[in-house]
Amino acid sequence: DGGITQSPKYLFRKEGQNVTLSCEQNLNHDAMYWYRQDPGQGLRLIYYSQIVNDFQKGDIAEGYSVSREKKESFPLTVTSAQKNPTAFYLCASSIQGKRYEQYFGPGTRLTVT
Amino acid sequence: GESVGLHLPTLSVQEGDNSIINCAYSNSASDYFIWYKQESGKGPQFIIDIRSNMDKRQGQRVTVLLNKTVKHLSLQIAATQPGDSAVYFCANSGNTPLVFGKGTRLSVIA
Repeated sequence: DGGITQSPKYLFRKEGQNVTLSCEQNLNHDAMYWYRQDPGQGLRLIYYSQIVNDFQKGDIAEGYSVSREKKESFPLTVTSAQKNPTAFYLCASSIQGKRYEQYFGPGTRLTVT
Repeated sequence: GESVGLHLPTLSVQEGDNSIINCAYSNSASDYFIWYKQESGKGPQFIIDIRSNMDKRQGQRVTVLLNKTVKHLSLQIAATQPGDSAVYFCANSGNTPLVFGKGTRLSVIA
């Protein structure tokens, strides 16, 4: 059963702590993406990766970091430098030639207090 | 359609009626225009796309219309069902990854 998994679904952290969100896909997709969604808002791109060991900043990369050591995995670290980390985080993947058709995971809701 | 501010535009439709969701875009260089559906608490799901050299494309119960003259995109859903209740996002893709609009909430009244 192919798809994208994100874990955990809900995550709670204290302010000042770094936290890493997991994203795994078994769709054999080359490209992977991280988005942030705030209430009543659209999706904003944080980082994306088109190939292993390479990634690019999106529109709101400040305070976040990523790695792409394996094709299947694209973890996102929310650092203490991110001023407003509480949000719904979505991971997606696509085949290289069809980046407009993205497959999304179920999301992780991060709450920082 | 796209909007500014924290409140999503909302469309309420009677079950069985047709729904039309609108979106304005600004990037004339986009190659593709796409509609996604997001149910509560879930990730978005791809619905349909249209290339910039087309003005209409039909899928199963859905039709997307593209008017490049006025930079307007619409999604028509025929015979709207309760399962269509969701937030619908338009997006466009050019040299950069997808740019999403803020979404429209569709509520289906049984």
